[in-house]
Amino acid sequence: NAGVTQTPKFRVLKTGQSMTLLCAQDMNHEYMYWYRQDPGMGLRLIHYSVGEGTTAKGEVPDGYNVSRLKKQNFLLGLESAAPSQTSVYFCASKDSNQPQHFGDGTRLSIL
Amino acid sequence: QQQVKQSPQSLIVQKGGISIINCAYENTAFDYFPWYQQFPGKGPALLIAIRPDVSEKKEGRFTISFNKSAKQFSLHIMDSQPGDSATYFCAASVGSGNTGKLIFGQGTTLQVKP
Repeated sequence: NAGVTQTPKFRVLKTGQSMTLLCAQDMNHEYMYWYRQDPGMGLRLIHYSVGEGTTAKGEVPDGYNVSRLKKQNFLLGLESAAPSQTSVYFCASKDSNQPQHFGDGTRLSIL
Repeated sequence: QQQVKQSPQSLIVQKGGISIINCAYENTAFDYFPWYQQFPGKGPALLIAIRPDVSEKKEGRFTISFNKSAKQFSLHIMDSQPGDSATYFCAASVGSGNTGKLIFGQGTTLQVKP
C-alpha cells in the first residue's frame, strides 16, 4: 500500500516548456488535490477533484490545468512554464470525513 | 487574502520545554481545524484536529486549544523533543465531508535543541 505517489520527484524546466506532474493514489479515495508550497506562504490549493471526471479551481489556478480521467490518478499540467511556477508541488487525496493524505512532493525549478 | 494567519514563523525551544504555535482565522463558517506536521523532504501529515464544538483536544503530548469567540486556535507541544523539530501548519476548512478544501496558515518551523 503506497498511499499517494508523485512523479517525478525533481524536475528542471526552461521557461516556456510544458510538463505534466502525475499523482497516483491506491486508497480508492474520491477527492484529490494539488497544492503548491512556497516559503512563508504555506500550501495553496491549485485545483481539486471531487470524483472521476470532475475538476474545479482552487486559490491559485492560473497557468495550470488538471485532469482526472481515472479515479486513482490526478494530473497537473503546466502548458508554458514560467519562473513564478518554481515551487514544491504536493498532491493529496481523501475520502468523506477523513483527513487528507499527502504525497512527498515534486520539486520543480523553472529557469 | 490570507484567511488563516499563523505565528510565529519560527520557534526555538529547549528539550523538555513547551512549544506554542498560534493561528487566527476570519471565516466563521470554518468547522474543521487540523494541524499538519512536515519533515524535510516529506509531505505534510495530519497531527491532530479539532472541531469548534469543543475547546480543547489532547493526544499524547500534543494539545489543540480552541477559542471560538476570538477565532483563534493554538497547538501546544508539551515536553518538546528534538524529534519534534519540523514545520507545522495549521489549516481550516468548511464542511470537511464535502469538498474538504483546506486553507493553510503560513507555517512555523520548530527547532528543539537538545
